[in-house]
Amino acid sequence: DTEVTQTPKHLVMGMTNKKSLKCEQHMGHRAMYWYKQKAKKPPELMFVYSYEKLSINESVPSRFSPECPNSSLLNLHLHALQPEDSALYLCASSQDSGFSGYNEQFFGPGTRLTVL
Amino acid sequence: QQQVKQSPQSLIVQKGGISIINCAYENTAFDYFPWYQQFPGKGPALLIAIRPDVSEKKEGRFTISFNKSAKQFSLHIMDSQPGDSATYFCAAIDAYSGAGSYQLTFGKGTKLSVIP
Repeated sequence: DTEVTQTPKHLVMGMTNKKSLKCEQHMGHRAMYWYKQKAKKPPELMFVYSYEKLSINESVPSRFSPECPNSSLLNLHLHALQPEDSALYLCASSQDSGFSGYNEQFFGPGTRLTVL
Repeated sequence: QQQVKQSPQSLIVQKGGISIINCAYENTAFDYFPWYQQFPGKGPALLIAIRPDVSEKKEGRFTISFNKSAKQFSLHIMDSQPGDSATYFCAAIDAYSGAGSYQLTFGKGTKLSVIP
């Protein structure tokens, strides 16, 4: 199984709502990532988990809260978002070989988020 | 500034033609250069990648050419097909830099349209 799955596919939320995005992989990967992608732009890294511990936080506003409950799951909790947060949110995973070289990142199909 | 500059922004090629996308980088610490292909509504997928000790890598109709002294690399798609129509992102990474080994630096993307 070389697939990263994400739910939901689409999400519309108001600025006062709380919602969560979910990501799952069963490739035995120990690094998991959240990216944000605006239209016609490349993905922007938000967070990286390595062995279920937050390894990188790219100065993301606190209204985005990541969680890694176990090695296969990654969540992104959303609260009090702004309309400019509307984007495609991508999850990715990779082997984690302890900085000994590049490990291919496998991307999920993304969640299309619209904030009203 | 860690940047990867990609051109052109968009490209229209006739079926059977050669598509060429160019990228240039500044950070000499980059040591792995993947290309990602993204179809609308999908996450990016690794297409082909190269290390700087190799000047060319070919996989099927896709070839990466790499010029280390010029800090440039390019993707050639031979016999382009309508099914190749997608957005292509070049990327670079310092794969042995600790936390940086998770951080892909993407180019801005090239939207390729192959017309019948």
